[in-house]
Amino acid sequence: EPEVTQTPSHQVTQMGQEVILRCVPISNHLYFYWYRQILGQKVEFLVSFYNNEISEKSEIFDDQFSVERPDGSNFTLKIRSTKLEDSAMYFCASTRDRGYTSGNTIYFGEGSWLTVV
Amino acid sequence: AQSVTQLDSHVSVSEGTPVLLRCNYSSSYSPSLFWYVQHPNKGLQLLLKYTSAATLVKGINGFEAEFKKSETSFHLTKPSAHMSDAAEYFCVVSDGDTGFQKLVFGTGTRLLVSP
Repeated sequence: EPEVTQTPSHQVTQMGQEVILRCVPISNHLYFYWYRQILGQKVEFLVSFYNNEISEKSEIFDDQFSVERPDGSNFTLKIRSTKLEDSAMYFCASTRDRGYTSGNTIYFGEGSWLTVV
Repeated sequence: AQSVTQLDSHVSVSEGTPVLLRCNYSSSYSPSLFWYVQHPNKGLQLLLKYTSAATLVKGINGFEAEFKKSETSFHLTKPSAHMSDAAEYFCVVSDGDTGFQKLVFGTGTRLLVSP
């Protein structure tokens, strides 16, 4: 079973600090996503990424957030200056294709739990 | 805008009894619907998906769901619960035009299975 891997599994950071969450999507996948889940709330879409650029983003994904594919395997989410309300579980995901073609599905990682203090 | 409502925050069943997790959706498009499961300290795993083919969809681990357009529902069922089914379950809708680009999650239903 293919896997999306995320690091770190848990990070505690001081308010105002920069944080980078890392993800290794499945190797032949071309579309990458970040979602987050604040404790007790819904899983929310943040951003999707394809061909080295953002293809969709939500209202949550403001200028404090950025994504990058720095090399052929990693996909990162950076939060420039963390706020208390950024505390959440962040999920990375990837798909081979955009839509519901045969065999295409979205795979989620196990999440990175970010605590801002 | 698309949305899903999971009608129960918690469902408790005994092992061997049927499971019913309820989900209603709202979508201005022909929706694609999914059920995901999250076990403690694990990622989100796809159970099954409906993408405008057969209305009764079979998934992994004996789960199935039926898309009912007239009721705007997509309830998840399993004939006989197993202890390993205890987890959080999410009903998810996607705008059919955007594919997997932007999934909208429900609030989740925690399934508790007692011996």
